[in-house]
Parts: sequence; C-alpha cells; structure tokens
Amino acid sequence: AQSVTQPDIHITVSEGASLELRCNYSYGATPYLFWYVQSPGQGLQLLLKYFSGDTLVQGIKGFEAEFKRSQSSFNLRKPSVHWSDAAEYFCAVGAETSYDKVIFGPGTSLSVIP
Amino acid sequence: DTGVSQDPRHKITKRGQNVTFRCDPISEHNRLYWYRQTLGQGPEFLTYFQNEAQLEKSRLLSDRFSAERPKGSFSTLEIQRTEQGDSAMYLCASSHTGGGTSGRSYEQYFGPGTRLTVT
Repeated sequence: AQSVTQPDIHITVSEGASLELRCNYSYGATPYLFWYVQSPGQGLQLLLKYFSGDTLVQGIKGFEAEFKRSQSSFNLRKPSVHWSDAAEYFCAVGAETSYDKVIFGPGTSLSVIP
Repeated sequence: DTGVSQDPRHKITKRGQNVTFRCDPISEHNRLYWYRQTLGQGPEFLTYFQNEAQLEKSRLLSDRFSAERPKGSFSTLEIQRTEQGDSAMYLCASSHTGGGTSGRSYEQYFGPGTRLTVT
C-alpha cells in the first residue's frame, strides 16, 4: 500500500536561512507526488507537483522539490525563508487508482524566527 | 471562479445530533473528494465522486456517514448520531480529468474546510 512519511514533525528556521523538508514515499510504480501548504484557518494550497520528466520541480513562492527514485524521496527546498512561510507542509502521493486518491503524510510544522 | 467553497466553516454540536456539511466544487470539475483531518495529522481520504456517482468509500466512513452529489455539482456530507471522535476538520477537494472518465486527473483543489466540534 502507498504511504508517505515526513520524518520531521516540527522545524524552526531563522528568516533568510535555507530550508529543506524531507519526504519519503512507498509506491510500486512511478508516483505522482505533491507538496501542499496549509496556513492556520486556510485550506490546502498546492506548492508543486511531480508527474514525470525533469526530477527538479519548481513551484510557487520560490519552492522547489527534487524527485529521487533511488531514495524514494521528494524533498522540498527553499533557499531563503520568509516569515510568511510559517505553516504546515504536507507531502502527498497519488494513489495507483483511476481516480487519483491522494495519500498524505503527517505533515511538518514550520516555524520562522525573525 | 472563486475556488472550492464549504459551508459552514465551523460547527459545534452535541453528541448524538446529526450534522450536514456542504461543498461547492470548482464549476468545471467532475471529481469531488471528501477528506477528514484531525489535529496534527494529514488529511485522510473519506470518499470520492465522479459526477454524481460515488465510486469509493473509505473504511473510515462508518454507516453513520453518508455523502451525496445529486446533480454532479455540489456535495453534502451528513454525519448521523455524532460522537466526540467525529470532531475534526472535514475537507472537500475537486479536480477534473485530463482525458476520459478513467483518466488521471490534474491536481486537487481544496476548500477551506468545515471544523466540527462535538461536545
């Protein structure tokens, strides 16, 4: 069965520092991978997605992620974090069905120190 | 288009009461999903519609839960005889297929959710 793990429950970074959020997945075929962000009181917003092709994916708000099949990873990165990036980040994998049920990881909470 | 909307945003109810939530997807989207999210967890899939047909229900969805999408547009999620364990955020999402009824769809767009508190 498909699954997603996010090893870091909570991360604190200083504003302007770089960021990497880890994500590992379990999946039998080429996965569809997503990163979503959820701010307090807000719905989930898609940051970026990987379906195929270039393994380095650019997203919104200056985020990027790299798909590494050999490591079953899809880590999210940002070179310089802004205070407004403080939120909950979810990695997700598209399930191997015809209707794209999405399996979410448990999330990583990001705090940003001014 | 204003995106996926959900109503109400918050609901407080007493144990044993019935509640109903509404989701209005993005108008051209033919697929609609319901998820449940508890504190500190990622969303968990509950059920899925393609147009008006409910095609899968998670084992998380007990017989007290029912969902409908009568005209393939908006959807409702009803919980009967609520329990304290039902307290959660209920999220709705929609998407559209790239090609054909069994094709992979594009990404899901989420609504703001309905937060249910059962006292």
